[in-house]
Amino acid sequence: AQSVTQLDSHVSVSEGTPVLLRCNYSSSYSPSLFWYVQHPNKGLQLLLKYTSAATLVKGINGFEAEFKKSETSFHLTKPSAHMSDAAEYFCVVSDGASGTYKYIFGTGTRLKVLA
Amino acid sequence: NAGVTQTPKFQVLKTGQSMTLQCAQDMNHNSMYWYRQDPGMGLRLIYYSASEGTTDKGEVPNGYNVSRLNKREFSLRLESAAPSQTSVYFCASRGAGGFYEQYFGPGTRLTVT
Repeated sequence: AQSVTQLDSHVSVSEGTPVLLRCNYSSSYSPSLFWYVQHPNKGLQLLLKYTSAATLVKGINGFEAEFKKSETSFHLTKPSAHMSDAAEYFCVVSDGASGTYKYIFGTGTRLKVLA
Repeated sequence: NAGVTQTPKFQVLKTGQSMTLQCAQDMNHNSMYWYRQDPGMGLRLIYYSASEGTTDKGEVPNGYNVSRLNKREFSLRLESAAPSQTSVYFCASRGAGGFYEQYFGPGTRLTVT
């Protein structure tokens, strides 16, 4: 069975400092992994995805994530936070190889960026 | 290209009333999904449709029904609304094959009093 754990429900950083949002997953098959961002009262937007190609994945707005199979992790990073990064972030695992194409969401990490 | 559209954007119901949430996508996607989002719980899958003509239960299907009307449209019905169904509802779609991401609609904020 698949599962995903976002290790921090809230993260605060100062503007211009690095961002680290942590995600661990469990999957019986080779997983697809995604990070989505949700700004207040908005829908979800894809930041980046891992689909068994390069383990270091670059996304939009300067975000990137590294797939580490040995650690079952897919942490999201950004070198320098911007005020506009304040939002909720969701790590998602999908078991596409099994054919079910269901997606399991983490409970979210709310990122606060301090001026 | 509109992507995934949902109607209505907001709705207030009284306990026991019924309503249908509409979702449509114009990306020729095979799979469509309905989620609910509650604070601190992420998104939970209510129902999904892997292809036109098929629907399956997700994690929290009780109190809901769905219809995959055609390839474009996937509706969610609450037959007798309860306060526990107060939530934000998102529809999503994805293309055929493995390793594809989902595309989300803007959401419907439903309050049941």
